[in-house]
Parts: sequence; C-alpha cells; structure tokens
Amino acid sequence: EADIYQTPRYLVIGTGKKITLECSQTMGHDKMYWYQQDPGMELHLIHYSYGVNSTEKGDLSSESTVSRIRTEHFPLTLESARPSHTSQYLCASSEPTVTFNTDTQYFGPGTRLTVL
Amino acid sequence: ILNVEQSPQSLHVQEGDSTNFTCSFPSSNFYALHWYRWETAKSPEALFVMTLNGDEKKKGRISATLNTKEGYSYLYIKGSQPEDSATYLCAMDTGRRALTFGSGTRLQVQP
Repeated sequence: EADIYQTPRYLVIGTGKKITLECSQTMGHDKMYWYQQDPGMELHLIHYSYGVNSTEKGDLSSESTVSRIRTEHFPLTLESARPSHTSQYLCASSEPTVTFNTDTQYFGPGTRLTVL
Repeated sequence: ILNVEQSPQSLHVQEGDSTNFTCSFPSSNFYALHWYRWETAKSPEALFVMTLNGDEKKKGRISATLNTKEGYSYLYIKGSQPEDSATYLCAMDTGRRALTFGSGTRLQVQP
C-alpha cells in the first residue's frame, strides 16, 4: 500500500486567502507530481519535481506554486485563492517499474478545494 | 497536446454482467499504457502497466489488452461485482515528464 498523504482532504475558503495544500510521502521517491481535476474531466499535470530543489510547471497553466525542500514533502501554495481555483488537487509520487521503462505513480487521496 | 480518450464516460451494469471499456491514444511516441482504478473517497490505484503491442494482463476478473499500432487498449471485467464500482483511468507514458490521463470510465455495478 502506498504511503502518500494529503491534507486537508476538504477545504472551503473565501476569495483572496492564501492556502497551502500539503503532500507527503514516506516511500523515498524522487519524483512527485501535482494534478488538478475538474468533475468529469482528465487529471491535468500542473507541477512536477524530479527531486529536492527541482520543480517544473506542467501542461496545464496554474497560478499555484510548489516547493521541494525535502524529498518527502511537496506542498502547493495559492497566494490568493479565487473561485476559478475550485477543483480537486491530487498529489502523486512515482518509482520506476521493475521490468518496464515507465514509472508507476502512487496517489494521495486528494484535496477538494472550494473557493467562495 | 496529447489526447487520451476513454469510452464510455459512464456505465451501469448488473451484478454478474461482464463489461469492457476502451482507451484510445495516439500511437506515436508511445512508451507505456497504464490502467488505474479509482474508488470514491480513495486514492487511484495502479492496475496494469503494458508496453508491448499485443500485451495482455490479468488480475483476478479484470484483464486488459493493448494494441499500440492502432492506439487502443481494452479493459474487461468478467462477472462484475458491486465492489468493482469505481472510475477506471487509463494513462499514456510518452517518456517525458508525467503521464497523460484520460477522463475515465465510471462503472456502477448494481447488486
């Protein structure tokens, strides 16, 4: 069973507030990811990290920022939340599969964010 | 922009029915195809990884096939049970950065 945690699970917050979504994994994985998902839509990559002090933006433009100061921790921050940020945010980490040239991703349970 | 498409979007079946759904992806730049199962209020869990054309994988009553030349994968569930109710996601790996996901097929199995 994967050990990747996200807090909070649900967050309802007013416009303009600064928020940080926490993500931690205890598997020692170097690669970590943040995905955003609107209902009925695909998971879209918004940030990824190959290791400590490495962060890159994903395919979907996002006003959020991330940091990777420790291997196990990959928090996502919104400086000023807006209703357009209402969505589900999933964190993942990955490790190479044993036999294939691809990574298996392990997901946290997600944070469902509502900005009023 | 890579398009991974899944159909149908949702499916309601009776317990005991067998079912299948499709994942379509561009066949160029293909590295691997992943299937995930995502139950409500839980984390997505990896089901299968497939890389070779003609690959078939099986886990209990669930199996998957892969056709990389025409760009599709099928997921089959034999004798569906209520505990199979979940969203099934497929994702393509092109060897760069992260996976590209489809929007999923939501399966509801009625007892």
